[in-house]
Amino acid sequence: KAGVTQTPRYLIKTRGQQVTLSCSPISGHRSVSWYQQTPGQGLQFLFEYFSETQRNKGNFPGRFSGRQFSNSRSEMNVSTLELGDSALYLCASTPGQQNTEAFFGQGTRLTVV
Amino acid sequence: DAKTTQPTSMDCAEGRAANLPCNHSTISGNEYVYWYRQIHSQGPQYIIHGLKNNETNEMASLIITEDRKSSTLILPHATLRDTAVYYCIVRVAPTQGGSEKLVFGKGTKLTVNP
Repeated sequence: KAGVTQTPRYLIKTRGQQVTLSCSPISGHRSVSWYQQTPGQGLQFLFEYFSETQRNKGNFPGRFSGRQFSNSRSEMNVSTLELGDSALYLCASTPGQQNTEAFFGQGTRLTVV
Repeated sequence: DAKTTQPTSMDCAEGRAANLPCNHSTISGNEYVYWYRQIHSQGPQYIIHGLKNNETNEMASLIITEDRKSSTLILPHATLRDTAVYYCIVRVAPTQGGSEKLVFGKGTKLTVNP
Protein backbone atom coordinates (compact mmCIF):
# COMPACT_ATOMS: atom_id res chain seq x y z
CA LYS A 1 0.00 0.00 0.00
CA ALA A 2 1.07 3.58 -0.55
CA GLY A 3 3.18 5.22 2.12
CA VAL A 4 2.84 8.61 3.74
CA THR A 5 2.86 11.37 1.16
CA GLN A 6 3.94 14.90 1.94
CA THR A 7 3.65 17.79 -0.47
CA PRO A 8 5.44 19.81 -1.54
CA ARG A 9 8.90 18.30 -1.02
CA TYR A 10 10.66 21.64 -1.14
CA LEU A 11 9.47 25.17 -0.56
CA ILE A 12 11.08 28.59 -0.42
CA LYS A 13 9.18 31.41 1.25
CA THR A 14 9.91 34.97 2.31
CA ARG A 15 9.76 36.22 5.87
CA GLY A 16 6.28 37.33 6.81
CA GLN A 17 4.53 35.02 4.38
CA GLN A 18 2.44 32.05 5.37
CA VAL A 19 2.73 28.46 4.19
CA THR A 20 0.54 25.37 4.11
CA LEU A 21 1.98 21.86 4.05
CA SER A 22 0.03 18.73 3.28
CA CYS A 23 0.23 15.15 4.52
CA SER A 24 -1.70 12.15 3.23
CA PRO A 25 -1.47 9.25 5.70
CA ILE A 26 -1.50 5.57 4.93
CA SER A 27 -4.97 4.39 3.98
CA GLY A 28 -6.92 3.45 7.10
CA HIS A 29 -4.70 5.38 9.48
CA ARG A 30 -6.59 7.94 11.54
CA SER A 31 -3.76 9.65 13.38
CA VAL A 32 -1.37 12.16 11.86
CA SER A 33 1.43 13.77 13.83
CA TRP A 34 3.67 16.62 12.71
CA TYR A 35 7.31 17.20 13.64
CA GLN A 36 9.84 19.94 12.96
CA GLN A 37 13.48 19.02 12.51
CA THR A 38 16.28 21.56 12.67
CA PRO A 39 20.03 21.04 13.16
CA GLY A 40 19.93 22.88 16.47
CA GLN A 41 16.79 21.48 18.09
CA GLY A 42 16.52 18.08 16.46
CA LEU A 43 13.14 16.45 15.97
CA GLN A 44 10.40 18.24 17.88
CA PHE A 45 6.73 17.29 18.13
CA LEU A 46 4.32 19.91 16.82
CA PHE A 47 0.87 18.34 17.16
CA GLU A 48 -1.20 15.22 16.60
CA TYR A 49 -4.60 14.90 14.99
CA PHE A 50 -6.91 11.94 15.40
CA SER A 51 -10.33 11.75 13.75
CA GLU A 52 -10.24 15.46 12.88
CA THR A 53 -9.47 16.52 16.47
CA GLN A 54 -6.20 17.80 17.83
CA ARG A 55 -5.25 15.26 20.45
CA ASN A 56 -1.86 16.55 21.54
CA LYS A 57 0.16 19.69 21.06
CA GLY A 58 3.82 20.52 21.41
CA ASN A 59 5.42 23.70 22.65
CA PHE A 60 5.24 25.88 19.57
CA PRO A 61 3.80 29.38 19.12
CA GLY A 62 0.29 29.92 17.83
CA ARG A 63 1.67 30.73 14.37
CA PHE A 64 1.82 26.97 13.91
CA SER A 65 -1.56 25.39 13.37
CA GLY A 66 -3.02 22.34 11.75
CA ARG A 67 -6.16 20.53 10.84
CA GLN A 68 -7.32 17.13 9.73
CA PHE A 69 -10.01 16.33 7.22
CA SER A 70 -12.58 13.56 7.26
CA ASN A 71 -10.41 11.46 4.95
CA SER A 72 -7.57 11.76 7.53
CA ARG A 73 -5.43 13.97 5.31
CA SER A 74 -3.84 16.72 7.33
CA GLU A 75 -2.45 20.17 6.70
CA MET A 76 -0.26 22.34 8.81
CA ASN A 77 -0.02 26.08 8.45
CA VAL A 78 2.68 28.46 9.56
CA SER A 79 1.82 32.15 9.47
CA THR A 80 4.13 35.16 9.57
CA LEU A 81 7.15 33.08 8.69
CA GLU A 82 10.45 33.72 10.45
CA LEU A 83 13.94 32.73 9.36
CA GLY A 84 14.01 30.26 12.26
CA ASP A 85 11.09 28.35 10.77
CA SER A 86 13.42 26.97 8.12
CA ALA A 87 13.35 23.25 8.78
CA LEU A 88 12.38 19.81 7.60
CA TYR A 89 8.71 19.23 8.47
CA LEU A 90 7.78 15.60 8.87
CA CYS A 91 4.45 13.95 9.32
CA ALA A 92 3.82 10.53 10.78
CA SER A 93 0.83 8.27 10.29
CA THR A 94 -0.51 5.58 12.63
CA PRO A 95 -3.79 3.72 13.04
CA GLY A 96 -4.28 5.81 16.17
CA GLN A 97 -5.46 3.31 18.73
CA GLN A 98 -2.98 0.50 18.47
CA ASN A 99 0.50 -0.02 19.85
CA THR A 100 2.23 -0.03 16.51
CA GLU A 101 4.90 1.86 14.67
CA ALA A 102 4.59 5.30 13.16
CA PHE A 103 5.22 5.64 9.46
CA PHE A 104 6.95 8.84 8.44
CA GLY A 105 6.79 10.71 5.17
CA GLN A 106 9.85 12.06 3.38
CA GLY A 107 9.19 15.50 4.72
CA THR A 108 8.85 19.02 3.33
CA ARG A 109 12.02 21.08 3.33
CA LEU A 110 11.00 24.68 4.05
CA THR A 111 13.48 27.50 3.54
CA VAL A 112 12.56 30.98 4.71
CA VAL A 113 14.60 33.81 3.18
CA ASP B 1 12.77 16.40 27.29
CA ALA B 2 13.73 12.96 26.11
CA LYS B 3 13.75 10.34 28.85
CA THR B 4 16.60 8.40 27.32
CA THR B 5 20.38 8.75 27.13
CA GLN B 6 22.40 7.45 24.20
CA PRO B 7 26.03 7.79 23.12
CA THR B 8 26.52 10.54 20.58
CA SER B 9 28.27 8.37 18.04
CA MET B 10 29.48 4.86 17.37
CA ASP B 11 31.42 3.06 14.67
CA CYS B 12 31.00 -0.48 13.43
CA ALA B 13 32.74 -2.58 10.81
CA GLU B 14 30.64 -3.85 7.94
CA GLY B 15 29.44 -7.38 8.56
CA ARG B 16 29.88 -7.17 12.29
CA ALA B 17 27.16 -6.77 14.88
CA ALA B 18 26.30 -3.24 15.94
CA ASN B 19 25.22 -2.93 19.57
CA LEU B 20 23.59 0.39 20.39
CA PRO B 21 22.93 1.07 24.09
CA CYS B 22 20.20 3.20 25.59
CA ASN B 23 19.70 4.25 29.17
CA HIS B 24 16.15 4.86 30.41
CA SER B 25 16.55 4.68 34.16
CA THR B 26 13.28 6.54 34.89
CA ILE B 27 11.09 4.35 32.72
CA SER B 28 7.64 3.62 34.11
CA GLY B 29 6.01 0.22 34.24
CA ASN B 30 3.66 0.97 31.37
CA GLU B 31 6.20 2.57 29.05
CA TYR B 32 7.48 0.81 26.00
CA VAL B 33 10.91 1.17 24.45
CA TYR B 34 10.85 2.06 20.77
CA TRP B 35 13.73 2.34 18.32
CA TYR B 36 13.71 4.38 15.14
CA ARG B 37 16.46 5.34 12.77
CA GLN B 38 16.88 8.20 10.35
CA ILE B 39 19.01 7.97 7.30
CA HIS B 40 20.24 11.35 6.14
CA SER B 41 17.44 13.68 5.01
CA GLN B 42 14.78 10.97 5.11
CA GLY B 43 11.90 10.46 7.53
CA PRO B 44 12.55 8.29 10.58
CA GLN B 45 12.01 4.57 10.11
CA TYR B 46 10.61 2.26 12.76
CA ILE B 47 12.89 -0.60 13.80
CA ILE B 48 11.46 -2.42 16.80
CA HIS B 49 9.76 -1.96 20.16
CA GLY B 50 9.27 -3.89 23.38
CA LEU B 51 8.02 -3.74 26.95
CA LYS B 52 10.11 -6.15 28.99
CA ASN B 53 10.77 -9.23 26.92
CA ASN B 54 13.50 -9.36 24.33
CA GLU B 55 12.20 -8.87 20.83
CA THR B 56 13.52 -9.81 17.39
CA ASN B 57 12.35 -9.00 13.91
CA GLU B 58 13.87 -9.05 10.45
CA MET B 59 15.79 -5.85 11.08
CA ALA B 60 17.14 -6.12 14.61
CA SER B 61 16.97 -7.51 18.12
CA LEU B 62 16.04 -5.56 21.23
CA ILE B 63 17.46 -6.65 24.56
CA ILE B 64 15.88 -5.03 27.63
CA THR B 65 17.49 -5.51 31.03
CA GLU B 66 15.48 -7.19 33.74
CA ASP B 67 15.11 -3.93 35.69
CA ARG B 68 14.13 -2.21 32.40
CA LYS B 69 16.51 0.67 33.08
CA SER B 70 18.44 0.12 29.89
CA SER B 71 18.26 -1.64 26.57
CA THR B 72 20.44 -2.54 23.60
CA LEU B 73 19.53 -2.55 19.95
CA ILE B 74 21.46 -5.15 18.00
CA LEU B 75 21.93 -5.06 14.24
CA PRO B 76 23.37 -8.56 13.72
CA HIS B 77 25.25 -7.96 10.47
CA ALA B 78 25.66 -4.26 9.84
CA THR B 79 25.87 -3.00 6.27
CA LEU B 80 26.85 0.38 4.88
CA ARG B 81 23.15 1.15 4.47
CA ASP B 82 22.69 0.92 8.22
CA THR B 83 24.66 4.16 8.63
CA ALA B 84 22.08 6.44 10.26
CA VAL B 85 21.05 8.19 13.46
CA TYR B 86 19.36 5.75 15.82
CA TYR B 87 16.79 7.01 18.31
CA CYS B 88 15.67 5.24 21.46
CA ILE B 89 12.29 6.47 22.72
CA VAL B 90 10.12 5.49 25.68
CA ARG B 91 6.40 6.10 25.71
CA VAL B 92 3.09 4.82 26.96
CA ALA B 93 1.24 2.83 24.34
CA PRO B 94 -1.82 4.54 22.84
CA THR B 95 -3.79 1.47 23.89
CA GLN B 96 -3.03 2.40 27.52
CA GLY B 97 -4.00 6.03 27.36
CA GLY B 98 -0.84 7.34 25.76
CA SER B 99 -0.72 9.37 22.58
CA GLU B 100 1.17 8.97 19.35
CA LYS B 101 3.62 11.68 20.40
CA LEU B 102 7.25 10.62 20.09
CA VAL B 103 9.89 12.52 22.05
CA PHE B 104 13.17 12.27 20.17
CA GLY B 105 16.51 12.83 21.85
CA LYS B 106 19.76 13.43 20.02
CA GLY B 107 20.16 9.77 19.13
CA THR B 108 23.33 7.85 18.25
CA LYS B 109 25.05 8.48 14.95
CA LEU B 110 26.11 5.02 13.79
CA THR B 111 28.72 4.87 11.06
CA VAL B 112 29.30 1.51 9.41
CA ASN B 113 32.76 1.37 7.86
CA PRO B 114 33.83 -0.84 4.95
